[in-house]
Amino acid sequence: EAQVTQNPRYLITVTGKKLTVTCSQNMNHEYMSWYRQDPGLGLRQIYYSMNVEVTDKGDVPEGYKVSRKEKRNFPLILESPSPNQTSLYFCASSPSGLAGGEQYFGPGTRLTVT
Amino acid sequence: AQSVAQPEDQVNVAEGNPLTVKCTYSVSGNPYLFWYVQYPNRGLQFLLKYITGDNLVKGSYGFEAEFNKSQTSFHLKKPSALVSDSALYFCAVRDTGANNLFFGTGTRLTVIP
Repeated sequence: EAQVTQNPRYLITVTGKKLTVTCSQNMNHEYMSWYRQDPGLGLRQIYYSMNVEVTDKGDVPEGYKVSRKEKRNFPLILESPSPNQTSLYFCASSPSGLAGGEQYFGPGTRLTVT
Repeated sequence: AQSVAQPEDQVNVAEGNPLTVKCTYSVSGNPYLFWYVQYPNRGLQFLLKYITGDNLVKGSYGFEAEFNKSQTSFHLKKPSALVSDSALYFCAVRDTGANNLFFGTGTRLTVIP
């Protein structure tokens, strides 16, 4: 089944404890992206990747890191999480960049930082 | 810079009635426009898109949207609402040459039986 998977689905952590949220897609898509969803703010893009080893900042990259060493994986890293990073996170992928292509979203990761 | 506005946080409609969810956008070039739907505890699902061509775009689950360049709008419509259409709807825009998609803040649609 074609899908985007994220792990973990739920995570509660403490301020400053490094964490990684994994994202994997099995559709051989070139483009991958991370978003955070907050009430009243909709979805805001954190980082995106046009292809392996090519990443770029979205609208809210502060406090996040990403890497794209393999085409299928695009992990999101929070080196020192803070409470304002409590949010619902979505990974997405798209074939051939965004040239007319829709994005396929993962199920989401709900992160709470205390 | 690209931006998109969904002026209504909440839309209520009776089952069987037509529904409209509004979206306006701002881009410097030609827009690529999308609608996505989010059901509770799920990721976003693609509904439809406008890239070029016919201004009326048909998508999944009986939804359609009309691209209006003069009004910079891309409203989502359905002739007859179902209770199962109740969800959170997002409009998104990509500007020509941009590598990212910009989402609106979402409109919660409630269809009342």
